[in-house]
Amino acid sequence: AQSVTQPDIHITVSEGASLELRCNYSYGATPYLFWYVQSPGQGLQLLLKYFSGDTLVQGIKGFEAEFKRSQSSFNLRKPSVHWSDAAEYFCAVGAVGSGGGADGLTFGKGTHLIIQP
Amino acid sequence: GAGVSQSPSNKVTEKGKDVELRCDPISGHTALYWYRQSLGQGLEFLIYFQGNSAPDKSGLPSDRFSAERTGGSVSTLTIQRTQQEDSAVYLCASSSYGKEAFFGQGTRLTVV
Repeated sequence: AQSVTQPDIHITVSEGASLELRCNYSYGATPYLFWYVQSPGQGLQLLLKYFSGDTLVQGIKGFEAEFKRSQSSFNLRKPSVHWSDAAEYFCAVGAVGSGGGADGLTFGKGTHLIIQP
Repeated sequence: GAGVSQSPSNKVTEKGKDVELRCDPISGHTALYWYRQSLGQGLEFLIYFQGNSAPDKSGLPSDRFSAERTGGSVSTLTIQRTQQEDSAVYLCASSSYGKEAFFGQGTRLTVV
């Protein structure tokens, strides 16, 4: 069965500093990988996805993520965070061929990002 | 519609009552998913529909939970004899085959 680990429950970053949120997955083959963001009181919004091809994926809001097969990781990065980036971030893995569908997405428990002024 | 729509947005119910949560997926999306998000927890997969059939019901927490989908569109998640531990945000998502899932805003269920 697939699984996702987000080792950091909370991360605090100063505004303007760089950010890296960690995500490790377990899956029997090449997975589909996703990062979603959930702002307070909001639904989940897709930041970026990896299906195949270039392992460095660009997303919305200046985020990027790199798929590293050897490390089973898909870490999310941003060079300079803004106060509006404060939110909950979820990494997810899905089955190839289903678009993250056949068994549903498997989510990590999330990382709560706090931005210090 | 333009996005996934869930109703009601908030529901407060008494312990032991039944509740129905509704999800209207994006038009044309064949896959529909229900997740549960409890306070301080991640997202828990409940059930997945492809068309009107549910090939994977393994995530439903107990036999008090059931879901159906009609016409390949609207889905309802029913919780019978609600318990306080059922309190959570219930999220619905839909997708086209081979594409990412889009989420609704969720239904916040509070069992008192």
